[in-house]
Amino acid sequence: GAVVSQHPSRVICKSGTSVKIECRSLDFQATTMFWYRQFPKKSLMLMATSNEGSKATYEQGVEKDKFLINHASLTLSTLTVTSAHPEDSSFYICSARVRPNQPQHFGDGTRLSIL
Amino acid sequence: GQQLNQSPQSMFIQEGEDVSMNCTSSSIFNTWLWYKQEPGEGPVLLIALYKAGELTSNGRLTAQFGITRKDSFLNISASIPSDVGIYFCAGPLRETSYDKVIFGPGTSLSVIP
Repeated sequence: GAVVSQHPSRVICKSGTSVKIECRSLDFQATTMFWYRQFPKKSLMLMATSNEGSKATYEQGVEKDKFLINHASLTLSTLTVTSAHPEDSSFYICSARVRPNQPQHFGDGTRLSIL
Repeated sequence: GQQLNQSPQSMFIQEGEDVSMNCTSSSIFNTWLWYKQEPGEGPVLLIALYKAGELTSNGRLTAQFGITRKDSFLNISASIPSDVGIYFCAGPLRETSYDKVIFGPGTSLSVIP
């Protein structure tokens, strides 16, 4: 149980393109999902908390207009990197938890490369 | 702010050897989580610890919640090549919710066949 699926697993696109990443909870409903960013050989950094039916909560220093989050259903959250530039290249990972007092389970991540 | 430190930063060991790594914090945590991340994948939860002094096993993995609540240890016995990856400790910042979880910098494990 507690499977989180992320799509796509890899994206390569030109600078200026907007890229959408999907995160789905496959066998449970997730009112809250989380988006992380990970640089090579570094730890995970929480970018934002995605709340179903309401606005996402962004961490300090994360641009809301650059990283648009939509959590339209109990099983799907999307992260859109708008007008992506090479510095946005990174590994983006989502997670979700079944209940508030249970650990997060992670998707397999999306490798974003902006040329 | 709260920070987690992990040591060692990296390890190169021979297949069959036992591994020990730890995680420390200057603040008290009420839960310790250990995740493993393989290249190109998301972290996978290995063990969750909920009480000071708790010792929990998951196959060849054993983790302990330090009695000071400021540290935790992860041991892997009889390592095999598939143990390769980065091991992260993590802890929730709030007692009753896993919404804000901070991660340590990780311990990279390499196993030489």
